[in-house]
Amino acid sequence: NAGVTQTPKFRILKIGQSMTLQCAQDMNHNYMYWYRQDPGMGLKLIYYSVGAGITDKGEVPNGYNVSRSTTEDFPLRLELAAPSQTSVYFCASSRTGDEKLFFGSGTQLSVL
Amino acid sequence: DAKTTQPPSMDCAEGRAANLPCNHSTISGNEYVYWYRQIHSQGPQYIIHGLKNNETNEMASLIITEDRKSSTLILPHATLRDTAVYYCIVSARRAGNMLTFGGGTRLMVKP
Repeated sequence: NAGVTQTPKFRILKIGQSMTLQCAQDMNHNYMYWYRQDPGMGLKLIYYSVGAGITDKGEVPNGYNVSRSTTEDFPLRLELAAPSQTSVYFCASSRTGDEKLFFGSGTQLSVL
Repeated sequence: DAKTTQPPSMDCAEGRAANLPCNHSTISGNEYVYWYRQIHSQGPQYIIHGLKNNETNEMASLIITEDRKSSTLILPHATLRDTAVYYCIVSARRAGNMLTFGGGTRLMVKP
């Protein structure tokens, strides 16, 4: 099992550009999450999904969009990138809503 | 979810037990205590969780006080690879495990 796989690992964007961060899990988990982590800080929840076709906002959803067309994939879309979105992005999954989270290795994004 | 308070940093000698405290004085009856750690810039890793009884697994032990207002994560024989940021999180089990990661405790294990 690969677990939770995130791509790319690093990316530099110019202000105003758009991109999609990919996240895939092969554990047949229903729940998936996107977090961001600013330097020296804890993680903040951006969006989460409780199953295919169902998504909901977390603590800091502005400037992001998500979709969940399959159980395996949960891409995060950045539209009109801004310097404030410079961060490390982590995707996570769990089998049910009250079990432990499995995290990916992260995507380091810089917006210049 | 209840707020948690952890010391920002701690040191521990290699081979000794590391005891990481966490205060959660506003915890409610249906909230669990979770511990995760983050090694360098990797994704957080689940360690252990509990409701009111003490818990132990292959990684650590979790001691929760009788009034549930504080807890201690114990790494029995710390190694250099245990150097990480440790997060104590309080959350009710519900649909959508939306854990809130605060600042955590930076544990430095020294030789």
